[in-house]
Amino acid sequence: NAGVTQTPKFQVLKTGQSMTLQCAQDMNHNSMYWYRQDPGMGLRLIYYSASEGTTDKGEVPNGYNVSRLNKREFSLRLESAAPSQTSVYFCASSLTHATSGSRSGELFFGEGSRLTVL
Amino acid sequence: AQSVAQPEDQVNVAEGNPLTVKCTYSVSGNPYLFWYVQYPNRGLQFLLKYITGDNLVKGSYGFEAEFNKSQTSFHLKKPSALVSDSALYFCAVRDSGAAGNKLTFGGGTRVLVKP
Repeated sequence: NAGVTQTPKFQVLKTGQSMTLQCAQDMNHNSMYWYRQDPGMGLRLIYYSASEGTTDKGEVPNGYNVSRLNKREFSLRLESAAPSQTSVYFCASSLTHATSGSRSGELFFGEGSRLTVL
Repeated sequence: AQSVAQPEDQVNVAEGNPLTVKCTYSVSGNPYLFWYVQYPNRGLQFLLKYITGDNLVKGSYGFEAEFNKSQTSFHLKKPSALVSDSALYFCAVRDSGAAGNKLTFGGGTRVLVKP
């Protein structure tokens, strides 16, 4: 069982280039998320998709776009990369985006994509 | 708004000794609290959570955490640390009354367990 799979694992871009990070989950989860991880800042939510067909901004959405292609896949696109977007990006999924209950908060993460923008 | 503070960047402990990783939080309503662990070059893994009920929560790998509402804390503990517990630990919170399942993470605490 693969869980959450991200590609690519590593990428180096020049300022102004574009790229797409791909994410797929095989757990039949409804909700998917993109986070970035920077030293000392924890994880910050970029965008999320509560369910297939919906996407919403998180804490740091500027410079990014997302697409929920189907229930399994959620991609993150950088249209014009900047050095400030150098980071480790994590995709995550959860069974539901429900606001309460025992399932709340259990996110399953991919192994991360390390992006460097020169 | 919701926020999490992990006051220690790193915690060093000898193998076999008790391990504590501190976390304090701020939410406007009731908190849902979580601990995640990250091993090198891996994604985060869920350890435990507090939603409601007993203030002492037990999780994976022998870890537990105590919810203290008056001190707005949710410290992670393990009675006897192992070298294999060396990793990066994240506390996270969300307001139970807020829409959605968006967690706010702390900055992380690196745990180093020495043999």
